[in-house]
Amino acid sequence: DTGVSQNPRHKITKRGQNVTFRCDPISEHNRLYWYRQTLGQGPEFLTYFQNEAQLEKSRLLSDRFSAERPKGSFSTLEIQRTEQGDSAMYLCASRGQGASSYNEQFFGPGTRLTVL
Amino acid sequence: RKEVEQDPGPFNVPEGATVAFNCTYSNSASQSFFWYRQDCRKEPKLLMSVYSSGNEDGRFTAQLNRASQYISLLIRDSKLSDSATYLCVVSRSYQLTFGKGTKLSVIP
Repeated sequence: DTGVSQNPRHKITKRGQNVTFRCDPISEHNRLYWYRQTLGQGPEFLTYFQNEAQLEKSRLLSDRFSAERPKGSFSTLEIQRTEQGDSAMYLCASRGQGASSYNEQFFGPGTRLTVL
Repeated sequence: RKEVEQDPGPFNVPEGATVAFNCTYSNSASQSFFWYRQDCRKEPKLLMSVYSSGNEDGRFTAQLNRASQYISLLIRDSKLSDSATYLCVVSRSYQLTFGKGTKLSVIP
């Protein structure tokens, strides 16, 4: 499978626990994005990496959230001290280099987080 | 005001019908425009990019009016398999901004 993969696909946790999600982008893609999607809403941008550098973070990304892409390949998103409001689908997307006017992002299947 | 606003759904249409979705965006600096399709509990997938000159892909036609900051998607001869949520998306450099989406149900 050469698409974007995410693990785990589902995570149920208790409030206050820490969780970590992993994203493996399409292998030749140097750009990686994290989004969050809640029921009835479109995905909302969280953060963006170009290679290993985190170039942008949304105001949605509170201090409890941290994302890394240590070797410019896979990425992890960690949420500390989870709250019920963190329950959402966390989507990862990747994009290769190319003309900036055509910037299709390919999405992974997402990790569905439920905080009890 | 939301940066990308779409028609509220849902749209329930019979097979073979023509259906149009509208979208407006607020940031005039937006550079690229797309329609994504999202099936229930699945990830969004690119349906088509939208260009100022308008573009067509089979039964799907997309239009962009930069002056009015308006984007549209027309689906002709609807199929059952078109049932999904359609997301209007605008982009400034790296970041995609999504609308809430409009749910389409095509009924036999």
